[in-house]
Amino acid sequence: EVQLVQSGAEVKKPGESLKISCKASGYSFTSYWIAWVRQMPGKGLEWMGIINPHDSDTRYSPSFQGQVTISADKSITTAYLQWSSLKASDTAMYYCARQWSGDYWGQGTLVTVSS
Amino acid sequence: ENVLTQSPATLSLSPGERATLSCGASQSVSSSYLAWYQQKPGLAPRLLIYDASSRATGIPDRFSGSGSGTDFTLTISRLEPEDFAVYYCQQYGSSPVTFGQGTKLES
Repeated sequence: EVQLVQSGAEVKKPGESLKISCKASGYSFTSYWIAWVRQMPGKGLEWMGIINPHDSDTRYSPSFQGQVTISADKSITTAYLQWSSLKASDTAMYYCARQWSGDYWGQGTLVTVSS
Repeated sequence: ENVLTQSPATLSLSPGERATLSCGASQSVSSSYLAWYQQKPGLAPRLLIYDASSRATGIPDRFSGSGSGTDFTLTISRLEPEDFAVYYCQQYGSSPVTFGQGTKLES
């Protein structure tokens, strides 16, 4: 059974760093790209970027380029999304999804950034 | 960037009725790489349709997708109570991948 299990909710202060994870199982991790999608409170879906775990080829939406870093560790079949300096506007639910057309999704990680 | 515009923003229908949701693209969607998702409150999106017209695994056949180029449609032939949700289209034919703003289907 394909599963993407994301790390738990986070509460952070502005300026802090954060790395959230997406653990994949039930399929060949290096055969499928993994994307990250943001959903701000009460809003729609925004595609942030995608990584190929096979060779770490990464593509970012221009809106998120330079704001976040996407990475993957194929030895533990896990993808990551990280921030070096969070802002209040980063408060959102973050989803990982398999493939360019998201056929499987993680359950989401709620990130709250507040002073 | 390929901007997707969904219409209507809200669609009010009753169980048993037919729903037609539209998604228009500002540029032609390469290879009909267009998907439709359903999202219910508090849950992750669920893939319904990919490549414009292929149903994802486990999706009932009352859901169908059509279209090409810049105009796409999601049709729900006969609404069930569990179909009331928000629906998003997404194009993945060009980078960056983009989503429409969503259509809320309410009863």
